[in-house]
Amino acid sequence: ETGVTQTPRHLVMGMTNKKSLKCEQHLGHNAMYWYKQSAKKPLELMFVYNFKEQTENNSVPSRFSPECPNSSHLFLHLHTLQPEDSALYLCASSQEGMTSGLSTDTQYFGPGTRLTVL
Amino acid sequence: GENVEQHPSTLSVQEGDSAVIKCTYSDSASNYFPWYKQELGKGPQLIIDIRSNVGEKKDQRIAVTLNKTAKHFSLHITETQPEDSAVYFCAGTSGTYKYIFGTGTRLKVLA
Repeated sequence: ETGVTQTPRHLVMGMTNKKSLKCEQHLGHNAMYWYKQSAKKPLELMFVYNFKEQTENNSVPSRFSPECPNSSHLFLHLHTLQPEDSALYLCASSQEGMTSGLSTDTQYFGPGTRLTVL
Repeated sequence: GENVEQHPSTLSVQEGDSAVIKCTYSDSASNYFPWYKQELGKGPQLIIDIRSNVGEKKDQRIAVTLNKTAKHFSLHITETQPEDSAVYFCAGTSGTYKYIFGTGTRLKVLA
């Protein structure tokens, strides 16, 4: 257990559906992240929130919409996805809080949500 | 853009032997290098990390070495056990908050 939980663990959805992924961290961290993990590709950073403010959007299509209501919760809202969006979606958190310089805070990952888009 | 290359992509070793995984990075400003282990059905778990002011770090059977001049770092696992079988990822920092991950090494320890 890393202190980061994700629900659901598995999700199958059609291209016209709307669904949401949820992440919760119990570590008292200030930064939260969404990553996409596809087969044979490096983990792709999607979004970063620091103190509830979005600080990074890595050119992610608008069919993915993040929400961070507080430092402990992070959502990823999904709508009109494509089959190529099928992947493992990982949430992570880190102590963070810094506003400049390089990050050296360890990121702790949740177990992921396995998403299949039909 | 910045990237991290990881080799090999797959590695099979006999139980008890050592395993070495190597990564090179391009961002000369990177100063933190974590290694993660990912087992089937789980998220990546941090196993060891190293900061740029240190050349080597060891934790029981696991060690990491860093050569900043050559911009490469390596994971060493000694006395491998079947439970070490997993996918291992290296990463380097790039800019604020960002990790750049390698493509992963699937390690198989043969009993």
